[in-house]
Amino acid sequence: DTAVSQTPKYLVTQMGNDKSIKCEQNLGHDTMYWYKQDSKKFLKIMFSYNNKELIINETVPNRFSPKSPDKAHLNLHINSLELGDSAVYFCASSQGWTGGDEQYFGPGTRLTVT
Amino acid sequence: AQSVTQLDSQVPVFEEAPVELRCNYSSSVSVYLFWYVQYPNQGLQLLLKYLSGSTLVKGINGFEAEFNKSQTSFHLRKPSVHISDTAEYFCAVSGSARQLTFGSGTQLTVLP
Repeated sequence: DTAVSQTPKYLVTQMGNDKSIKCEQNLGHDTMYWYKQDSKKFLKIMFSYNNKELIINETVPNRFSPKSPDKAHLNLHINSLELGDSAVYFCASSQGWTGGDEQYFGPGTRLTVT
Repeated sequence: AQSVTQLDSQVPVFEEAPVELRCNYSSSVSVYLFWYVQYPNQGLQLLLKYLSGSTLVKGINGFEAEFNKSQTSFHLRKPSVHISDTAEYFCAVSGSARQLTFGSGTQLTVLP
């Protein structure tokens, strides 16, 4: 039974398209995150939600919009995709938002923009 | 602001040899420190973390790390590595902003 799941696992699309990535956690956690891992494997946080409220909103283009319909789900919608958006996107969750909580990561979604 | 430096991007080591992966951090406040491992085509998994207390932290799969406040380091060690330890290892720090800042990663390759 997967703790943090993401769909799709692979996403290939053309520039200018709009796409969404879905994330679900069945751990009962209060906090969820989106990270971007670039081609050099550098990981950077994009967004975080705690109890459905946005708490971290890093400097990302406003083409990226997170949506949290409930505590178990955090989706990422991307408008007008660009070549530079190609990366692996990871969803994660943690019990709380103390900074010391272990984060549980999903398997990642590899986005390729052509 | 907080930052993490992983000094080695690649570390090749022979099976059953010891290994140390180096991590230095920078932060103006007290920090929490983590090591995560990423196996090929997978998400990250926590190896160990330091929150407070004993500076020697033991984690899963025989790994341990030592928090050194004066040297602002949190190096990861294992006395004897296996082929299955081949993976990317990330050091991360969390401070007053309560968000993880990751280092650039160290690719550990265990050779037969």
